[in-house]
Amino acid sequence: EAQVTQNPRYLITVTGKKLTVTCSQNMNHEYMSWYRQDPGLGLRQIYYSMNVEVTDKGDVPEGYKVSRKEKRNFPLILESPSPNQTSLYFCASSLSWTGGTGELFFGEGSRLTVL
Amino acid sequence: GESVGLHLPTLSVQEGDNSIINCAYSNSASDYFIWYKQESGKGPQFIIDIRSNMDKRQGQRVTVLLNKTVKHLSLQIAATQPGDSAVYFCAERRNYGQNFVFGPGTRLSVLP
Repeated sequence: EAQVTQNPRYLITVTGKKLTVTCSQNMNHEYMSWYRQDPGLGLRQIYYSMNVEVTDKGDVPEGYKVSRKEKRNFPLILESPSPNQTSLYFCASSLSWTGGTGELFFGEGSRLTVL
Repeated sequence: GESVGLHLPTLSVQEGDNSIINCAYSNSASDYFIWYKQESGKGPQFIIDIRSNMDKRQGQRVTVLLNKTVKHLSLQIAATQPGDSAVYFCAERRNYGQNFVFGPGTRLSVLP
């Protein structure tokens, strides 16, 4: 089944404790992206990757890091989480950076709480 | 700057009625728009898209209308069903690639 898989789905952590949210897609998609969703603000882009080893900042990259060493994986790293990073996070992928439809395939989401 | 927004944060409709969800955008140069549906506890799912060279596009029970003159987008759902209850987002492509600006969403509730 074609899908985007995120882990963990739920996580409660404390300020400053490094964490990684993994994202994996099995559709051989070139493009991957991370979003955070907060009430009333919709989805805001954190980072995106056009292909392996190519990443760039989105609208709200502060406090986050990403890497794209393999095509299928795009982990989101919070080096020193803070309470304002409490949010619902979504990973998404698309066939290519340019061309085709703009359809994004989303994971199920990861709800992160930073105390 | 760019912004994509929705006129109504919530919408309640009777089962069987038609629903209309609206979206305003500010970037007149935007060339591509998508509507997504997000059910509770799930990620957004693609519903329908439209390019700026079109005024209307129809899918199964859904129609998207684009009015470039007033920078307005709408999603019409025919014969709304309980399974249509969800949050609906419009998304506007930035001037390149696959990066989109999402609106805050409208919650659609279908009443029995």
